[in-house]
Amino acid sequence: KAGVTQTPRYLIKTRGQQVTLSCSPISGHRSVSWYQQTPGQGLQFLFEYFSETQRNKGNFPGRFSGRQFSNSRSEMNVSTLELGDSALYLCASSAEDRNSYEQYFGPGTRLTVT
Amino acid sequence: AQSVTQLDSQVPVFEEAPVELRCNYSSSVSVYLFWYVQYPNQGLQLLLKYLSGSTLVKGINGFEAEFNKSQTSFHLRKPSVHISDTAEYFCAVSLTGGGNKLTFGTGTQLKVEL
Repeated sequence: KAGVTQTPRYLIKTRGQQVTLSCSPISGHRSVSWYQQTPGQGLQFLFEYFSETQRNKGNFPGRFSGRQFSNSRSEMNVSTLELGDSALYLCASSAEDRNSYEQYFGPGTRLTVT
Repeated sequence: AQSVTQLDSQVPVFEEAPVELRCNYSSSVSVYLFWYVQYPNQGLQLLLKYLSGSTLVKGINGFEAEFNKSQTSFHLRKPSVHISDTAEYFCAVSLTGGGNKLTFGTGTQLKVEL
């Protein structure tokens, strides 16, 4: 099976712009979670989608939003970018196997805001 | 709310020596426990997990961890490290029945030297 893919891998944006990141989960996985990784704050949970519904949400401002499509692919959007949004954004998918609870991570999208 | 503490930000060790990476957690409800590894410019890879049952869990690459409920710890160990184990290691928890939201520790950089 192909792993979790994220596009683009690298992105440079200007403060005030908006950005959309994409995540394709492992085939058959219906749960997709997003995390932000920065040197200062570490790994922080953004949100989780399951069957096109947001199931969990982290403590991020409303500028951060996401959605999931019927094929389980997910996108996250950040509007009005700030310098502090520069980070590695990681996507993870899960099969919802109650004996496993394993999440498989993609390589991430490195966003730089200038 | 749950939290994870990794007391050591960096652990230097010589090749073939044993290593222990420490992890303590805090939660008022039952949690699942995980260790992930991150190699440079890559996403996270699951090393091992504790869901229930035996408190000693074995993972990939010769790593193991022991769940200690009374001390709320989940330390990671390897009896003999290799240069290729150089990476950052993250301890994480999720609430039982709480979906796939992971709360991560701040990470421990393991540096294996010759």
